[in-house]
Amino acid sequence: AQSVAQPEDQVNVAEGNPLTVKCTYSVSGNPYLFWYVQYPNRGLQFLLKYITGDNLVKGSYGFEAEFNKSQTSFHLKKPSALVSDSALYFCAVREDSGGYNKLIFGAGTRLAVHP
Amino acid sequence: DAGVTQSPTHLIKTRGQQVTLRCSPKSGHDTVSWYQQALGQGPQFIFQYYEEEERQRGNFPDRFSGHQFPNYSSELNVNALLLGDSALYLCASSLVPVERAEQYFGPGTRLTVT
Repeated sequence: AQSVAQPEDQVNVAEGNPLTVKCTYSVSGNPYLFWYVQYPNRGLQFLLKYITGDNLVKGSYGFEAEFNKSQTSFHLKKPSALVSDSALYFCAVREDSGGYNKLIFGAGTRLAVHP
Repeated sequence: DAGVTQSPTHLIKTRGQQVTLRCSPKSGHDTVSWYQQALGQGPQFIFQYYEEEERQRGNFPDRFSGHQFPNYSSELNVNALLLGDSALYLCASSLVPVERAEQYFGPGTRLTVT
């Protein structure tokens, strides 16, 4: 079965500094990986995805993610953090079955950006 | 273009009662998935509907059932509510079986069981 792990419950970073939110995955076959963000009392917003191609994926709001097959990782990054980036971030892997698919989520990482 | 919408926003029920949650998918999407997000956890897949049939199901008891209508909207029904059913219920829509389609999520329905 597919799975993802987010090893950090919380990441703290100062505004203007680069940020990294970590994710590792375990899949059979090719990985289809996603990052979503959740603001308080809101649903999930799609940030970016890796299906195939370049290992560096660019997404919404200046976020990017680096896919590393040898380390089975898909870390989310941003060169310069904003206070407004403070939210809950989820890594997910898509699991396919009979032509249909579902998302398997990690437990989430809370990002706190301090002024 | 409206995104995924869900109703109601919040709901309070008593143990043993039944509840129905509703979802309208993003325009043009034909597939609806439901997820349960307990406090402090990531979303867990409940089931997925396509062409008015349940296509996949996660590890949830039969108390959880659903329906998809011809206009692609969907309902999630939970019978005999337990305190542990308290969670944020998220609906997601997508296009299936387009291989590379991501899922778009609604704002969720917060269910509290007392």
